Amino acid sequence: DTGVSQNPRHKITKRGQNVTFRCDPISEHNRLYWYRQTLGQGPEFLTYFQNEAQLEKSRLLSDRFSAERPKGSFSTLEIQRTEQGDSAMYLCAASLPGSGNTIYFGEGSWLTVV
Amino acid sequence: QQQVKQSPQSLIVQKGGISIINCAYENTAFDYFPWYQQFPGKGPALLIAIRPDVSEKKEGRFTISFNKSAKQFSLHIMDSQPGDSATYFCAASKSDSWGKFQFGAGTQVVVTP
Repeated sequence: DTGVSQNPRHKITKRGQNVTFRCDPISEHNRLYWYRQTLGQGPEFLTYFQNEAQLEKSRLLSDRFSAERPKGSFSTLEIQRTEQGDSAMYLCAASLPGSGNTIYFGEGSWLTVV
Repeated sequence: QQQVKQSPQSLIVQKGGISIINCAYENTAFDYFPWYQQFPGKGPALLIAIRPDVSEKKEGRFTISFNKSAKQFSLHIMDSQPGDSATYFCAASKSDSWGKFQFGAGTQVVVTP
């Protein structure tokens, strides 16, 4: 158990709909990351938070994507007006203070856009 | 541009054999190189990691070999077991980009009984 929970685990949505994923790390995790993984590929960095501040966003994070981490606890990733190309697994990861580069992934949220 | 190139794409090894996966990177500023193991439907799990100040790191049956001049590193799985059947990803990052990794495309390892 990495201490990073994600839900829903699976989501099927119609093109054009909005979806939201939630990540719950344990309270000690100060940094939180979102990655995207498509079939047969490695994870790709999307964005990360230090406590409640969003410090970096990848160019992969288009205007339709928004992430928040209110109060530095759980985080949400919302995708507006979903497109078929958004179909992927969205992974949340977190790290502990002083752990350097060690991050722990959750089990991911699968999105299928039909 | 893929900054971390991983090979092979897949490999089959008999139980008890050695699995070897290779990665090459471009950015000389990378200074942290982890390997992740991922089972179907699960998130990646950290397996072992190395920094460029050492050439080899061993944890149980898993060994990372690192060649700084060649900008290459590899994962060796000794005495491979069926439970090792998974997809393995190499990754790289810079010290000032904690948690922001460039991942390889992955290697699917199948260990036959």
